[in-house]
Amino acid sequence: QITLKESGPTLVTPTQTLTLTCTFSGFSLSTSTMGVGWIRQPPGKALEWLALVYWDDDRRYSPSLKSRLTITKDSSNNQVVLTMTNMDPVDTATYFCAHTTYYGSGNLYFFDYWGQGTLVTVSS
Amino acid sequence: ETALTQSPGTLSLSPGERATLSCRASQSVSSSYLAWYQQKPGQAPRLLMFGASSRATGIPDRFSGSGSGTDFTLTISRLEPEDFAVYYCQQYGSSLHFGGGTKVEIK
Repeated sequence: QITLKESGPTLVTPTQTLTLTCTFSGFSLSTSTMGVGWIRQPPGKALEWLALVYWDDDRRYSPSLKSRLTITKDSSNNQVVLTMTNMDPVDTATYFCAHTTYYGSGNLYFFDYWGQGTLVTVSS
Repeated sequence: ETALTQSPGTLSLSPGERATLSCRASQSVSSSYLAWYQQKPGQAPRLLMFGASSRATGIPDRFSGSGSGTDFTLTISRLEPEDFAVYYCQQYGSSLHFGGGTKVEIK
């Protein structure tokens, strides 16, 4: 049974760096084809993919946010960490981490298991 | 960069009715790399379909997906009370993009 849970601050001030941790169970990021991604959703709005890391440390980022994002994995502790620099009020959103599987061809794929999400508010 | 447009924005239907949701891509989606998710208020999205027409594990067969190229459809054959939610399409492949969502509400 795959589960994921996000943790981190609920409130950050503008210009700060946000650090979120995804702690998961039911799979290992040392196992071939496994991956974990981050997706966010501003209140009342649509989903937006942010970043993804695969078992082999292949990291992918949304082109529009790439300069602000860093994703890292700690396979031994079953965690994935996302940092986002220079936070702004428009970054207020629920941040989800989710499991994905790599099926080849250098592509990115869909997310089949999701965490419950964590709401991050950016305000002074 | 592919943009996904979902229509209608809101669909007002009664339980037992058929729901047809559209997802149109700004450029052809290779290999039908199109997924659908269901999201209820306060919950995470749930994967319904992948590869445009393959149901995810545990998804009832009243949900079906179709389409290719730039036009995709999610159909719910007979709406159950638990199906009223927001539905998102997602293109995957060289990058990942979500559509703006369609809300299916009770009429």
